[in-house]
Amino acid sequence: EAQVTQNPRYLITVTGKKLTVTCSQNMNHEYMSWYRQDPGLGLRQIYYSMNVEVTDKGDVPEGYKVSRKEKRNFPLILESPSPNQTSLYFCASSRGRVTFGTDTQYFGPGTRLTVL
Amino acid sequence: AQRVTQPEKLLSVFKGAPVELKCNYSYSGSPELFWYVQYSRQRLQLLLRHISRESIKGFTADLNKGETSFHLKKPFAQEEDSAMYYCAPAKGGKLIFGQGTELSVKP
Repeated sequence: EAQVTQNPRYLITVTGKKLTVTCSQNMNHEYMSWYRQDPGLGLRQIYYSMNVEVTDKGDVPEGYKVSRKEKRNFPLILESPSPNQTSLYFCASSRGRVTFGTDTQYFGPGTRLTVL
Repeated sequence: AQRVTQPEKLLSVFKGAPVELKCNYSYSGSPELFWYVQYSRQRLQLLLRHISRESIKGFTADLNKGETSFHLKKPFAQEEDSAMYYCAPAKGGKLIFGQGTELSVKP
């Protein structure tokens, strides 16, 4: 089944403890992206990647890192999490650049992160 | 600055009533335009995109370049349309989501 998976789905951690949220897609998509969803703010893009070893900042990249060593994986890294990073995180992928207009973005199920 | 605005946080209508979810954007150039929907306990998914000129689940969206709007419309709302709807312009690899409008269709 074609899908985007994220792990873990739920995570409670403490300030400063490094964590990684994994994202994997099995559709051979070139484009992958991370978003955070907060009440009243909608979804905001954190980072995106056009292809392997190509990443770029979205609108809210501060405090996050990503890597794209393989086409299928796009982990989100929080080196030193803080309480303001408590949020619902979504990973997404699409066949090509989303701005082609024909490339549907497929979303993962979300990861709910709480930083105490 | 690139911005997208969905002025209504919550829109409540009765079944069978027309519905219009507003979206206004502020972009330089011409972005691609999308509507995404998130049903309860489900993943965010694409509802429709401007370039396809399509109608999905009875919804349509018309681009008004003069008003820079991309409102989502349906003539007769159904209870299963209750969900969170996001307008999303895209340009240069970036997809910017609006704050979302929660549509509640009452029986």
